[in-house]
Amino acid sequence: AQSVAQPEDQVNVAEGNPLTVKCTYSVSGNPYLFWYVQYPNRGLQFLLKYITGDNLVKGSYGFEAEFNKSQTSFHLKKPSALVSDSALYFCAHSGSARQLTFGSGTQLTVLP
Amino acid sequence: GAGVSQSPRYKVTKRGQDVALRCDPISGHVSLYWYRQALGQGPEFLTYFNYEAQQDKSGLPNDRFSAERPEGSISTLTIQRTEQRDSAMYRCASSLATSGGAYTGELFFGEGSRLTVL
Repeated sequence: AQSVAQPEDQVNVAEGNPLTVKCTYSVSGNPYLFWYVQYPNRGLQFLLKYITGDNLVKGSYGFEAEFNKSQTSFHLKKPSALVSDSALYFCAHSGSARQLTFGSGTQLTVLP
Repeated sequence: GAGVSQSPRYKVTKRGQDVALRCDPISGHVSLYWYRQALGQGPEFLTYFNYEAQQDKSGLPNDRFSAERPEGSISTLTIQRTEQRDSAMYRCASSLATSGGAYTGELFFGEGSRLTVL
C-alpha cells in the first residue's frame, strides 16, 4: 500500500538549534509529497511540496525539505528553530486517487 | 469569505441522532474535500467533489455517512444514527482544481467541526 510514515511522535529542540522532522514514503511511481502544519485549534496549513525538479524544496516560514529518492525520505528542516514553530506537523502524499493521504503526525516542541 | 468556514465548530449529540456538518469553501474553489481526524492521528480522507459532482466517496466508512454539494459551493456531510465511534474532528478543505492524475496542489483547510457522540 502507498503510504507515508512519520517515525517520531514527538520532537523536542532548543530554540535557535536546527530542527528535523522525519518522513519516509512508500509510493510507487512519482511521489508527490507535502508537508502541512497544524497549530492548536487551527486548521492545517500548507508548508511546501515536492512534485518534481530540485530535491531541496523551500517553503513557508523558513522551512525546507529534502527529497531523497535512495532513502525514500522527505524530511522537513529548518536551520534555526523558533518557539512559535511548536505545532503538529504532517507529511502527506498524493497519488492517482487525487487526494492527500497523511501520516500520523509529529508534535514539534521548541524549548525557549 | 477569506477562508474555508465550517459549522458548527462544536457539536455534542446523543447516540442515534443525525448530525449535519456544513462547509463553505473559498469562493471560486472547484474542489472540496472532507476528512476525519481522530485525536493524535492524521486526517483520514472521506470524500471529495469537483463542482457538484462527488468524485470519490471511497473513504466514507459506511452508509450512515453521506455528503452533498448540490450547487457546487457549500457542502454538507451528514451522519445518520450517530455512534460513539463517530466522535472526531471533521475537516473540510478546498482547492482551485484537481485535474487528471495525481493531486499536486494545495489544500486550504477549515478549522474543523468537533463532533462528540455521547
